[in-house]
Amino acid sequence: EVQLVESGGGLIQPGGSLRLSCAASGFTVSSNYMSWVRQAPGKGLEWVSVIYSGGSTYYADSVKGRFTISRDNSKNTLYLQMNSLRAEDTAVYYCARDRYYYDSSGPIRYFDYWGQGTLVTVSS
Amino acid sequence: DIQMTQSPSSLSASVGDRVTITCQASQDISNYLNWYQQKPGKAPKLLIYDASNLETGVPSRFSGSGSGTDFTFTISSLQPEDIATYYCQQYDNLHSITFGQGTRLEIK
Repeated sequence: EVQLVESGGGLIQPGGSLRLSCAASGFTVSSNYMSWVRQAPGKGLEWVSVIYSGGSTYYADSVKGRFTISRDNSKNTLYLQMNSLRAEDTAVYYCARDRYYYDSSGPIRYFDYWGQGTLVTVSS
Repeated sequence: DIQMTQSPSSLSASVGDRVTITCQASQDISNYLNWYQQKPGKAPKLLIYDASNLETGVPSRFSGSGSGTDFTFTISSLQPEDIATYYCQQYDNLHSITFGQGTRLEIK
């Protein structure tokens, strides 16, 4: 059974740092694309970052230069290092398996498994 | 970035009603569009991928259509358990995924 379990959220002051973890089971993180998606309180979904199976990483403009996505293959775990945190980074952060493949119609991509989310609150 | 505009932002309908949500992309995204359902306090759930393909295990009352810039999500007969917020999501730009702002669906 596929499972994703996030941890590491909490209350942090503006300018501080936090590292989120996403422990995966039932599949291999390094063989898949993996993304972080966040949701500010009462707001919609915002994609944050992706790490491809080959190791390339990409970020939303809102977090570029401040957040770093990574993975530990030995632990089958995804991470999000968040630095220089701002009040607007307050959100529930979800990790998601970012399924990507080709079929006869072309590329197919979707988030098929999600964690339960971890709340990050940036406030003084 | 590709902008996704959903309408309406909220919707009230009766059990058994046919419900339609639209999503418009700021540029041609072919059929690179997914739909998710999110219930309060829960993670989103994939319903439709590649604009019109029903995810395994999702009831057939859910469907999607469209290509290019204009997409439609339909619930053929609204059930009480369908109360949720629905999001479209594009993946035409593989390095920058974007979601619509969401449509909150309520029972009348």
